[in-house]
Amino acid sequence: SQQGEEDPQALSIQEGENATMNCSYKTSINNLQWYRQNSGRGLVHLILIRSNEREKHSGRLRVTLDTSKKSSSLLITASRAADTASYFCATPRSSTLGRLYFGRGTQLTVWP
Amino acid sequence: DTGVSQNPRHKITKRGQNVTFRCDPISEHNRLYWYRQTLGQGPEFLTYFQNEAQLEKSRLLSDRFSAERPKGSFSTLEIQRTEQGDSAMYLCASSLTVAGGPSYNEQFFGPGTRLTVL
Repeated sequence: SQQGEEDPQALSIQEGENATMNCSYKTSINNLQWYRQNSGRGLVHLILIRSNEREKHSGRLRVTLDTSKKSSSLLITASRAADTASYFCATPRSSTLGRLYFGRGTQLTVWP
Repeated sequence: DTGVSQNPRHKITKRGQNVTFRCDPISEHNRLYWYRQTLGQGPEFLTYFQNEAQLEKSRLLSDRFSAERPKGSFSTLEIQRTEQGDSAMYLCASSLTVAGGPSYNEQFFGPGTRLTVL
């Protein structure tokens, strides 16, 4: 079964706008990760936020984590056409750090 | 390129045939994972190895599926008597886990092998 669920399922914006995607999960976590998948390419790790962190930045990416609400958000600022991709949140189960549970993803389309 | 590589990239087979996929992880990574992804879904975990030991298998891994990592380096995933429902993208990932090190698990993914069963 899938642990995380992203919202919205699809998002369409213009270049330069910000894109916000949300992820909700069900059980306690050690960390939460965001991945990007372009058409025809593999998954690329974007950012990891640990359970004791509330916010993290990496370039144009900003991730927040609210463990009390079991939710996370990914903000992409000043989006570009090259940001067009599917974005997934993924969580390992705390007791078994091996497997990652992925949501169904948010399909982001950025129009030039 | 020192990333995760997978071969073949595409495989078309007839129902009932056996197929084998190969994954070469990042060389210093001790963990190797297999996932399956169908259209519109996120990857679903199949199994993972730490060195040559297979530590966890998903219920998705029926008895027609077998994975090996004989020397703790590359891995193979074999599907016997393929069914149309096996059609999917098979993803391999690797990570480095150090005893006493940080307890997080960033995984690096290969490009995947797309299987089509006719």
